[in-house]
Amino acid sequence: SYELTQPPSVSVSPGQTASITCSGDKLGNKFVCWYQKKPGQSPVLVIYQDTTRPSGIPERFSGFNSGNTATLTISGTQAMDEADYYCQAWDSSPYVFGTGTKLTVL
Amino acid sequence: QVQLVESGGGLVKPGGSLRLSCEASGFAFRDYYMSWIRQAPGQGLEWVSYISSSSTFIYYADSVKGRFTISRDNANNSLYLQMNSLRADDTAVYYCARDQKYSGNDYWGQGTLVTVSS
Repeated sequence: SYELTQPPSVSVSPGQTASITCSGDKLGNKFVCWYQKKPGQSPVLVIYQDTTRPSGIPERFSGFNSGNTATLTISGTQAMDEADYYCQAWDSSPYVFGTGTKLTVL
Repeated sequence: QVQLVESGGGLVKPGGSLRLSCEASGFAFRDYYMSWIRQAPGQGLEWVSYISSSSTFIYYADSVKGRFTISRDNANNSLYLQMNSLRADDTAVYYCARDQKYSGNDYWGQGTLVTVSS
């Protein structure tokens, strides 16, 4: 079965740029979405189709996907961005979620 | 506004059954694919099942195939998940989500907790 691998944790200082990667075989050939998940809350879609931000998502969130790696970038990271982030791709399953990354803003 | 409200969660013994419901409002439910996605305590998100708008296409994760059944009632704007032969590792918060396929799950319910324990 298809697997998506993310780093377990990423740390960033407020105002700096955070990058979270998602790796999978030929991932660049698939559409990737990214979700933000805070404790006790439902997931929020922050990027879809590799690079597109849904309405209401701040411009500091951006995405890129090429080769075997997709990347979520948060520019000017704020304390409110501290959360778990999950990538998602469509495969034969049809869906697969990444292993998740805990973003710490300190 | 779009709303998804799950219900039906609770405590069930291993081997037991439970039926989850998701009531949708604020959009044309019959026009959208829908998914069930779960998160076990301390674990990541796991996609469970997916159903097309007219129920023509249905998919399941390998972990639930043969035990869970997804269905929908477009006349009543409702999505269901029948869960049989439940196991301890099915313990999770179950979310229903509107599915835009390649554009992701853009709306999620608040989740309903299923606990499988003796």
